[in-house]
Amino acid sequence: GQSLEQPSEVTAVEGAIVQINCTYQTSGFYGLSWYQQHDGGAPTFLSYNALDGLEETGRFSSFLSRSDSYGYLLLQELQMKDSASYFCAGEYSGGGADGLTFGKGTHLIIQP
Amino acid sequence: DSGVTQTPKHLITATGQRVTLRCSPRSGDLSVYWYQQSLDQGLQFLIQYYNGEERAKGNILERFSAQQFPDLHSELNLSSLELGDSALYFCASSKNTGELFFGEGSRLTVL
Repeated sequence: GQSLEQPSEVTAVEGAIVQINCTYQTSGFYGLSWYQQHDGGAPTFLSYNALDGLEETGRFSSFLSRSDSYGYLLLQELQMKDSASYFCAGEYSGGGADGLTFGKGTHLIIQP
Repeated sequence: DSGVTQTPKHLITATGQRVTLRCSPRSGDLSVYWYQQSLDQGLQFLIQYYNGEERAKGNILERFSAQQFPDLHSELNLSSLELGDSALYFCASSKNTGELFFGEGSRLTVL
């Protein structure tokens, strides 16, 4: 099946910029989504990239490079409330046997 | 509030028992997905329904089953429960698979 790789933990400073990377398997790949999940909460949708390039939504941006099988989530002007887990999720076509496949998540720790 | 409703929020039961988790999708969403999230783990895709029909199946155990009813709500049945089944079970709905709207989850504890 499909799998996505992302770092397990990233630490950054309040007010700074952080990038969370995600690599994915290309067979049947259609698009890449990003979700945020606070401890004990529900995952919430952040962004979706089907085409190469940068998608910007406020302080959050997401990037996709199909040629490199790689994407990232960029968080700017970090706030303490951004401390959460961030999941990349691959959308795969050709029957969608795995639905939307999630990476294991990156725990973002923000220090004052 | 995502618009997806899951009940119960918490459930404690014993090994060998059977439980049913319920999900009401957002108004107008035809697709319902079930995911399992164990402690410090990612979201494991279990199964997807679209307008009452099974659309895709992931790593769902044979002890687990699901269905989607004509009013589009869905139920996930977990039987012969084991300690390892303790997890958060999320339901999500969508109009397209790129963007899922998750419920608050049902936390299952098997003792």
